[in-house]
Amino acid sequence: EAQVTQNPRYLITVTGKKLTVTCSQNMNHEYMSWYRQDPGLGLRQIYYSMNVEVTDKGDVPEGYKVSRKEKRNFPLILESPSPNQTSLYFCASSWGRRGYEQYFGPGTRLTVT
Amino acid sequence: GESVGLHLPTLSVQEGDNSIINCAYSNSASDYFIWYKQESGKGPQFIIDIRSNMDKRQGQRVTVLLNKTVKHLSLQIAATQPGDSAVYFCAAVIQGAQKLVFGQGTRLTINP
Repeated sequence: EAQVTQNPRYLITVTGKKLTVTCSQNMNHEYMSWYRQDPGLGLRQIYYSMNVEVTDKGDVPEGYKVSRKEKRNFPLILESPSPNQTSLYFCASSWGRRGYEQYFGPGTRLTVT
Repeated sequence: GESVGLHLPTLSVQEGDNSIINCAYSNSASDYFIWYKQESGKGPQFIIDIRSNMDKRQGQRVTVLLNKTVKHLSLQIAATQPGDSAVYFCAAVIQGAQKLVFGQGTRLTINP
């Protein structure tokens, strides 16, 4: 089954404790992206990647890192999480380089206390 | 840049009626638009897309209309069903850019 998977689905952590949210897709997509979703603000792009070893900042990259060492994986790293990073995070992937018809993962709900 | 806004945060319709969800965008260089549906507890799901060289595109029970003159697009859902209850997002891509800009979403509720 074609899908985007994220782990963990739920995470509660404390300020400053490094964490990684994994994202994997099995569709051989070139383009992958991370979003955060907050009430009243919709979906905002954090980082995106157009291919292996090619990443770029989205609209809200501060406090986040990503890497794209393999085509299928695109982990999101929070080196020192803060409470304002409490949010619902989605990973997405698509064919091509412009993010057309992105397939979204199920989401990761992160709480930073 | 681009900003995308939806006209109504919530919309309620009777089961079986048609629904129209509206969206406005700001950048005339936007050349590709997508509608997504997000059900509770799930990630957004692609519904339909349209390119700027078109003004209408139809899918199964859904139609997207694009009016580039006023920078407005709409999603029409025919004969709404309980399973259509969700939050609907429009998104736009600026020509030459590499990302989607999402609107804030309209929550559609279907009344029995």
